[in-house]
Amino acid sequence: KQEVTQIPAALSVPEGENLVLNCSFTDSAIYNLQWFRQDPGKGLTSLLLIQSSQREQTSGRLNASLDKSSGRSTLYIAASQPGDSATYLCAVRQAGSYQLTFGKGTKLSVIP
Amino acid sequence: SQTIHQWPATLVQPVGSPLSLECTVEGTSNPNLYWYRQAAGRGLQLLFYSVGIGQISSEVPQNLSASRPQDRQFILSSKKLLLSDSGFYLCAWNRQDSFYEQYFGPGTRLTVT
Repeated sequence: KQEVTQIPAALSVPEGENLVLNCSFTDSAIYNLQWFRQDPGKGLTSLLLIQSSQREQTSGRLNASLDKSSGRSTLYIAASQPGDSATYLCAVRQAGSYQLTFGKGTKLSVIP
Repeated sequence: SQTIHQWPATLVQPVGSPLSLECTVEGTSNPNLYWYRQAAGRGLQLLFYSVGIGQISSEVPQNLSASRPQDRQFILSSKKLLLSDSGFYLCAWNRQDSFYEQYFGPGTRLTVT
């Protein structure tokens, strides 16, 4: 059974700092990995999708990497802003499955 | 562009009452549709998914059910709510293509009293 872990559970950084969020998964037979952002009381917003054959994806200040063999992904946020404050969730889709398995998220606070 | 709607946004129901949550997707056809529940302090749990009209797969046995009466409409129901049904219910969709990027609705906050 796939398990997804996100460390740390919470992170507080000053504005302008670059930061890395971590995601690990136990079964490397994944189809893709998706990073989401969730604001309090809201739905999830898709940030980046990485296919199993890819090593990284970039969108603006965000860069996600994937090392499938070691079961790890990182989300890099450059020049953090207070508006980046949210919970960031990592989810993996197994090959041949419709199901996404989610981590419990990292709650990020960017202090002005 | 595609849009996903959920209603109601908030619901407070007594134990034993029925439930009906609705989700619709605009701007696409033949999407895969999903219902998730997010309970406090826990991760997202997939409840049901559907790859077509009338096709429902259940991931977790419980007192909830789902139906897909139209291509872009997904309904979550219960005949009798339990306290443990409280949570944040999220509907999601993805295109049936090779990428399966999943998109989520705004959610429904359900409190069972």
